[in-house]
Amino acid sequence: DAGITQSPRHKVTETGTPVTLRCHQTENHRYMYWYRQDPGHGLRLIHYSYGVKDTDKGEVSDGYSVSRSKTEDFLLTLESATSSQTSVYFCAITGGGENYEQYFGPGTRLTVT
Amino acid sequence: GQNIDQPTEMTATEGAIVQINCTYQTSGFNGLFWYQQHAGEAPTFLSYNVLDGLEEKGRFSSFLSRSKGYSYLLLKELQMKDSASYLCAVRDGDYKLSFGAGTTVTVRA
Repeated sequence: DAGITQSPRHKVTETGTPVTLRCHQTENHRYMYWYRQDPGHGLRLIHYSYGVKDTDKGEVSDGYSVSRSKTEDFLLTLESATSSQTSVYFCAITGGGENYEQYFGPGTRLTVT
Repeated sequence: GQNIDQPTEMTATEGAIVQINCTYQTSGFNGLFWYQQHAGEAPTFLSYNVLDGLEEKGRFSSFLSRSKGYSYLLLKELQMKDSASYLCAVRDGDYKLSFGAGTTVTVRA
């Protein structure tokens, strides 16, 4: 158990509304990631962070922003949600294993109507 | 860009062996990972290869050939609980992973 929680776990929102997803870790890991998972596409990286206030874009970052003001929290914001952002969102951290493997949170299922 | 290919679906019988292939063409290479993901759950780490050869972990083994851009995950003595999606992922020069679309394995009694 890598001590990763995500909130909310499920959310339904309307097109055009702002949405913030939270990822919280308890083990002080430096690297944190946000992915989305859609059928036929696997996991795609949205944004990642390599330290407090240090973030960078992934392959599908358009329409998303992130913030990391504390080591333990990584926030993903959809400024104006669209139906194409309906997805399952996973947060991950690079854990302390010898292979620096990533460990995933339980996921957030977001539906934009 | 990153290109990681794996079959979409495979079906096998309980007790049998299944081999899931993964081919990759990536801009950098710093290891290949396999993850298991049961329906409705998060991916969980299975194996890691960075050098050529076979890594064995109980009923699961993973193989890597860097010159061929090829890996496979071998699942032996299949059990019903092995029904899941299996994700191949390549790490580039830093700590980012690129994932294939996943292979759904169905184990039949």
